[in-house]
Amino acid sequence: QVQLVESGGGVVQPGRSLRLSCAASGFSFSSYGMHWVRQAPGKGLEWVAVISYDGGNEYYADSVKGRFTISRENSKNTLYLQVNSLRAEDTAVYYCAKDGGTSLGSSFDYWGQGTLVTVSS
Amino acid sequence: DIVMTQSPDSLAVSLGERATINCKSSQTVLYSSNNKNSLAWYQQKPGQPPKLLIYWASTRKSGVPDRFSGSGSGTDFTLTISSLQAEDVAVYYCQQYYGNPLTFGGGTKVEIK
Repeated sequence: QVQLVESGGGVVQPGRSLRLSCAASGFSFSSYGMHWVRQAPGKGLEWVAVISYDGGNEYYADSVKGRFTISRENSKNTLYLQVNSLRAEDTAVYYCAKDGGTSLGSSFDYWGQGTLVTVSS
Repeated sequence: DIVMTQSPDSLAVSLGERATINCKSSQTVLYSSNNKNSLAWYQQKPGQPPKLLIYWASTRKSGVPDRFSGSGSGTDFTLTISSLQAEDVAVYYCQQYYGNPLTFGGGTKVEIK
């Protein structure tokens, strides 16, 4: 069965960095695009970034462009999100999600449990 | 960006009754190349990640109960729960994948009356 397990969240001061990871299993990781989606406490869902199956293409939400970098290591079945210059408004649960299709933008057919990032001084 | 607007924000329905959630996109999400609407519905229960229910506006994901159905085309879409069960209490989100950035509606909270 498909499993996505995020890690790397925590409490961090404004302006600092974190690297989030998502370990994937139960499917052919190198065949699918992967996304990060976040949810601020008590709020709705916000798509953050997507990376193609081979890492050759990436797209970002305007709110994180230039500060966040999505990457993947197919040999390790792992997705990453490097988050830099963190702001209070980046506080959220960060979910990794598998793309449900063969393009770079589709529905998200599987989600991890999420990792909480709290930006606070 | 395509703005997704859901209504109502919340609704309370009696067990066994029908629940209807609406989602409107600011522009069409109908792909002319395959005549499919790039619209998905998710269910999120408290403390859990979202779960995909419906994609291409009306295709139920495998394992999703058939009391959940999606309809609509172009800019107007509906998620219907035909006979509400206690386990359906959740927040429901629509999402478009017609173009980047991928965007979600604000969510609709479904409760038992």
